Amino acid sequence: DAGVIQSPRHEVTEMGQEVTLRCKPISGHNSLFWYRQTMMRGLELLIYFNNNVPIDDSGMPEDRFSAKMPNASFSTLKIQPSEPRDSAVYFCASSLVGADIQYFGAGTRLSVL
Amino acid sequence: AQSVTQLDSHVSVSEGTPVLLRCNYSSSYSPSLFWYVQHPNKGLQLLLKYTSAATLVKGINGFEAEFKKSETSFHLTKPSAHMSDAAEYFCVVSDRGRDDKIIFGKGTRLHILP
Repeated sequence: DAGVIQSPRHEVTEMGQEVTLRCKPISGHNSLFWYRQTMMRGLELLIYFNNNVPIDDSGMPEDRFSAKMPNASFSTLKIQPSEPRDSAVYFCASSLVGADIQYFGAGTRLSVL
Repeated sequence: AQSVTQLDSHVSVSEGTPVLLRCNYSSSYSPSLFWYVQHPNKGLQLLLKYTSAATLVKGINGFEAEFKKSETSFHLTKPSAHMSDAAEYFCVVSDRGRDDKIIFGKGTRLHILP
């Protein structure tokens, strides 16, 4: 198995632009998590899905952030408009529903100038 | 409510000496506890997991952790540090069987001195 695949690995954009991060979970996994990691705040859970349904989005910072999971093999995290304070590494992780071991992707490093 | 506290944000040890990374947790139930490792510019990788079968859990790369209920601790140890152990380590408490929560600690960055 290829593991959790995230794209792009690096994204540099200008303030005000729309950014879309993509994630392909491990085949057969039906829970998907989006995290943000910064030096100041550490690792933060933004949102997670079970069976493509958002369960807890209380970690999403504000309305500029949105996440979708149109099918079991694909999810997106969108920031519109982006701001410099959104600069961080964004991780996607997947697991089986109810299982507690998560498998992480390599992350997307986002820089908003 | 669950919580996890990693007592040190940075730990420095010399190569070949023991490693101790401290973690305390709080949980209303019988939690599952984990340690994850994150090497520079990489995603998190599971080191080991405790699920009540045995209090001493062995993980990859020579790491182990001991669950002490009386102290609500789950400290990570390794007898002899290697340069390749330099990374950030996260203690995690999970109760996905009940309230579906997974809580990550703030992380401890381990530095290995030559």
